[in-house]
Amino acid sequence: ETGVTQTPRHLVMGMTNKKSLKCEQHLGHNAMYWYKQSAKKPLELMFVYNFKEQTENNSVPSRFSPECPNSSHLFLHLHTLQPEDSALYLCASSPIAGGNQPQHFGDGTRLSIL
Amino acid sequence: SQQGEEDPQALSIQEGENATMNCSYKTSINNLQWYRQNSGRGLVHLILIRSNEREKHSGRLRVTLDTSKKSSSLLITASRAADTASYFCATDGNFNKFYFGSGTKLNVKP
Repeated sequence: ETGVTQTPRHLVMGMTNKKSLKCEQHLGHNAMYWYKQSAKKPLELMFVYNFKEQTENNSVPSRFSPECPNSSHLFLHLHTLQPEDSALYLCASSPIAGGNQPQHFGDGTRLSIL
Repeated sequence: SQQGEEDPQALSIQEGENATMNCSYKTSINNLQWYRQNSGRGLVHLILIRSNEREKHSGRLRVTLDTSKKSSSLLITASRAADTASYFCATDGNFNKFYFGSGTKLNVKP
């Protein structure tokens, strides 16, 4: 148990569907992150939230829309995705945002786009 | 890109042997971290080393950092089958950015 819970664990959707990924952390952290992990590619940072404010958008296509209603919850809203968006999406948290902060990861949502 | 690059991409050893993985990066850093990822799971933080540190230990793990060569190594001593996983280094960039490498896949045979 890492203290970071992601749901669902697996998601299959068509390109025209709309779905959301959810992340919840029980660690009292103030920073939350979304990462994309594709086969044989480095882990890609997508978004960073620090105290509910988005501080980083790593040139992510607008078909991915993050939402952070409070420091404990993070969502990733998906719409009109492409086959290349199939990947493992990982959520992480840390006490605050910054490179000197160890990150705690959830087990990810395995997303498959048909 | 500032991404760390791990070497080798894959490593297979016998239980009890030592495993060494290397990470190289391209620009100056403040901190470097190592993470482990078991199959189907998220990443787990192992150790953080600051740019003014040269070596750090945690249990069977030993991390070194050579900022002049822009490289780090992770040594796992007396490996166990449970150490089978992928290992990633992560370097910090501008403010909140983290850069991960593609990882070293370690297989420890019983």
